[in-house]
Amino acid sequence: RKEVEQDPGPFNVPEGATVAFNCTYSNSASQSFFWYRQDCRKEPKLLMSVYSSGNEDGRFTAQLNRASQYISLLIRDSKLSDSATYLCVVNPNTNAGKSTFGDGTTLTVKP
Amino acid sequence: EAGVTQFPSHSVIEKGQTVTLRCDPISGHDNLYWYRRVMGKEIKFLLHFVKESKQDESGMPNNRFLAERTGGTYSTLKVQPAELEDSGVYFCASSHLNLLDNEQFFGPGTRLTVL
Repeated sequence: RKEVEQDPGPFNVPEGATVAFNCTYSNSASQSFFWYRQDCRKEPKLLMSVYSSGNEDGRFTAQLNRASQYISLLIRDSKLSDSATYLCVVNPNTNAGKSTFGDGTTLTVKP
Repeated sequence: EAGVTQFPSHSVIEKGQTVTLRCDPISGHDNLYWYRRVMGKEIKFLLHFVKESKQDESGMPNNRFLAERTGGTYSTLKVQPAELEDSGVYFCASSHLNLLDNEQFFGPGTRLTVL
């Protein structure tokens, strides 16, 4: 079993749709959690950190459920520019340390 | 502020040859990481430097891989001799040591092809 598992995707949605990505992690000692976005043949870029209380940044909402070891990302009112691969990333430490990546879920938003 | 830079962007070599990848982190970032994405697989951690010291090298696949960060600035990752399975994209990332500001910034990657 992989340490970080994501919805296999791909997700193909029309503009304006709401889409949710799910991620589970196996290491219960994990301390910090992130969603990264990766465009085709580009480097990953941080989209948002994920906190137990949940956090929202515009159209994006991230949730963490430590008891279930589950992380989610909700995108509302999808834009064409949201098309990318979304990576769930988990770190064992609060500070630094290696990141463990999921395979990524690819989203394509169509007109 | 300049981002993380990597050189070269692409490298095509033959099996058995040596290749050295370079990463220049963001100035002032003491943490430096190497990751690799093999085709069809997830991005995987290779190793982590704090300044010039190797903090964690648990992800290094074997002794054909050697990473250095002399002086605690730029880092090199040498593969010698390269094998076919070493093909992939090698990413470097850097971050502050600051507890409150530990976002990892990734470089554009080096795409390595071993023929």
